[in-house]
Order: sequence, then C-alpha cells, then structure tokens
Amino acid sequence: DGGITQSPKYLFRKEGQNVTLSCEQNLNHDAMYWYRQDPGQGLRLIYYSQIVNDFQKGDIAEGYSVSREKKESFPLTVTSAQKNPTAFYLCASSPSGVNYGYTFGSGTRLTVV
Amino acid sequence: GENVEQHPSTLSVQEGDSAVIKCTYSDSASNYFPWYKQELGKGPQLIIDIRSNVGEKKDQRIAVTLNKTAKHFSLHITETQPEDSAVYFCAASRNFGNEKLTFGTGTRLTIIP
Repeated sequence: DGGITQSPKYLFRKEGQNVTLSCEQNLNHDAMYWYRQDPGQGLRLIYYSQIVNDFQKGDIAEGYSVSREKKESFPLTVTSAQKNPTAFYLCASSPSGVNYGYTFGSGTRLTVV
Repeated sequence: GENVEQHPSTLSVQEGDSAVIKCTYSDSASNYFPWYKQELGKGPQLIIDIRSNVGEKKDQRIAVTLNKTAKHFSLHITETQPEDSAVYFCAASRNFGNEKLTFGTGTRLTIIP
C-alpha cells in the first residue's frame, strides 16, 4: 500500500543534542513538507521541498535543518539551536501540478528530557 | 500571502445533531479548499475537498459549501456520531504550480452522547 511513514513515533532528546526525524513516502509525490504542532495548536510550516535537491524555509525554520537527496525521503534534523523542540512533528507529501491536497504521516512526538 | 481564518475554535454538539465549521480566506486567486480531520495522536486525514468551479460537494454525512464572492467555505456534518469527535482543519491554495496549502487554526469538535 502506498503511504507516508514517519519514524520513530516517540523520541526523547537530551538538551544540547541533535536528533533526526525520518519521513519516507512511496506515493511518487514530488513535494514534501514538515510541520510542527504544539498542544491544542494548529500546523506551522518548518521546511518544504518541491523537488529533489531543493528545499525552502517555512515560517519557523530556525533551529531546524533538512535534506532532500532522494524523492522518497525528507529527513528533519532538530538541532540544539532549537530552544523549545518539544512538540508533535508531522510530515506530508503531495503531487506536483494540480493540487490534490496533502497526505500526512502519523507523526513523531519529540520530548526534551 | 493567503490568510485563512477558522471558526469556532471549539464546538460541542449533541449526538445526532449537525455541526458546521466556517472558514474565510483572503486571496481571491485561491481555488482549492480541502478539509482535514485529525484524531488524537494521529496525522490529519483529508476528508473532503472542493474546487472553485463547484459551489457544493457532498460525501455521505459530510458536505462542503463554497461562496467565492464572500470568500468563505464551510464544512457541514449531519447526524453526528461519537467517532466524529476530532480536530478539523480547513485549508486553501491556488491550484497551479506547486502552491502550498495555508491552513486554518483548527476546530475541536466534541460529540456529546
């Protein structure tokens, strides 16, 4: 079955550490996105990529980094520069051209300990 | 850029009654309007969408209406059931190139048994 997979589901990070969240899709979608969701809040765009080897900052990119070396994969690194990283992170993908909406993954809950 | 406002932020309805969630958008060039349902601890799922060449679309108990002149669109859920309890997000985008979705802030819908 085609879909988008995020791993791990839960992640704990010590202060000062970098962590990488995985996002893989087998939908043959060109575009991929990372969102952050805080409790009871909406979706805030961190980074997005519309094509391999290219990505753009979203509204809250500070303290995060991404890469897009393969069409299927769009990992997000939460760096130690992100002062408040505890949140629910969502990855999404979409086809290019006519908009058919996004397919979201099931999310990764990151907690700083 | 596009701005999407969503109301109400919380909504409680008696099981069997109808629920209506409303969104307004600012960009008159927007022509694609999806709705997402997010259950607790999961990623949002697309439940229905509408394009600007249509005024209304139905899928069983859910329907979406669009008023392009007033720049607002609404989600209607009839005969509500406990499993309809979730957070609902509206979104809007232009329908050409690789335009990103702009999301509303979400509505927490609670169905009272």
